[in-house]
Amino acid sequence: QQQVKQSPQSLIVQKGGISIINCAYENTAFDYFPWYQQFPGKGPALLIAIRPDVSEKKEGRFTISFNKSAKQFSLHIMDSQPGDSATYFCAATEGGSYQLTFGKGTKLSVIP
Amino acid sequence: KAGVTQTPRYLIKTRGQQVTLSCSPISGHRSVSWYQQTPGQGLQFLFEYFSETQRNKGNFPGRFSGRQFSNSRSEMNVSTLELGDSALYLCASTRLAGSTDTQYFGPGTRLTVL
Repeated sequence: QQQVKQSPQSLIVQKGGISIINCAYENTAFDYFPWYQQFPGKGPALLIAIRPDVSEKKEGRFTISFNKSAKQFSLHIMDSQPGDSATYFCAATEGGSYQLTFGKGTKLSVIP
Repeated sequence: KAGVTQTPRYLIKTRGQQVTLSCSPISGHRSVSWYQQTPGQGLQFLFEYFSETQRNKGNFPGRFSGRQFSNSRSEMNVSTLELGDSALYLCASTRLAGSTDTQYFGPGTRLTVL
């Protein structure tokens, strides 16, 4: 049972454009939603995270939007750059657990 | 500050063998988690250790086991290897300051089972 569904699987965006990745979850006990960025040959690295008591969090060019009633959250990358080309994973944890439940990932390619 | 280190980085084994992977967490970090990453299943949680005790375990068969030492270093072991065990095995460490503390991942060990 896939508890966190992520889409799209791949995304191609022009330099300067907006990249949008969506995730939906089923487990209402989830209470922490991080996004990870992974480059080839590297482990995932935390990009930005949100708790369900806020609807939006922005850090630089990266914004998480959170819709608790719809059980959905999304990552927006503004002014996308070629250096943003990587695989992005949404994730969720519940009740202070360190067990991350990941989405399947989105491979982002930003073309010049 | 050194990051999470994993050894070896690459490993080739044959079916039926067993393998041990090692993880050294960031200095001062007390929790270590292990994940399996495959193209088909994505990132899946294996287990988490804190103070030498397994606190949480994912949905993997008993062939997958682990342990943590008093210096927080951790090892995971896979016995009777199967072709489907070919994957990138990632270790993550956490300082354990709070429930939303960042998990820092190592570069992983790429295991190939022939």
